[in-house]
Amino acid sequence: GAVVSQHPSWVICKSGTSVKIECRSLDFQATTMFWYRQFPKQSLMLMATSNEGSKATYEQGVEKDKFLINHASLTLSTLTVTSAHPEDSSFYICSAPRWGATTNQPQHFGDGTRLSIL
Amino acid sequence: GENVEQHPSTLSVQEGDSAVIKCTYSDSASNYFPWYKQELGKRPQLIIDIRSNVGEKKDQRIAVTLNKTAKHFSLHITETQPEDSAVYFCAASINTGNQFYFGTGTSLTVIP
Repeated sequence: GAVVSQHPSWVICKSGTSVKIECRSLDFQATTMFWYRQFPKQSLMLMATSNEGSKATYEQGVEKDKFLINHASLTLSTLTVTSAHPEDSSFYICSAPRWGATTNQPQHFGDGTRLSIL
Repeated sequence: GENVEQHPSTLSVQEGDSAVIKCTYSDSASNYFPWYKQELGKRPQLIIDIRSNVGEKKDQRIAVTLNKTAKHFSLHITETQPEDSAVYFCAASINTGNQFYFGTGTSLTVIP
């Protein structure tokens, strides 16, 4: 079964709206989570690393003021797309390593959120 | 950062034939290489992974090989079945952070 839950699965909203996406680890603590963006028929592009208790680390070219990340607890990270515009429409997906800071381990992915901005 | 390239972008094979997907990476510090299968609109699912201290790993019909010197790794699927049809992504991860950098993906179609 799923070990990472992502909500909502689909959002349609007007341009200028801010949209919050939640990513929860269900039966483990995730001090680190990752946010990806995927355009149709393209790869997953790492946007940022979400760190519990500290600021997120953003990949080059990702606007931190546009994509706000908050890792409020050991089981929850949120991504807020602020003042969304049609070009922000995409599939957003989070992931978490199950064994915390242990490296070289697979990621568990959420189901993704399809964001459509009209 | 890490740059992962993946080939081919599309691959069609007859049922029962083998499929091979190749990836190269740029950062010699990368030491973990997972492969994910993603069906349309769904989450990526891990199918196999390999660490840099191993040259080859096999799990039933799926195998992965790694050449650290050349900085490339490959996915091999034997006796392909229609349900193997999906998009496959390779990824590379550096020891220090667990961040995954994905390849561009390969759309595999297995023709019955």
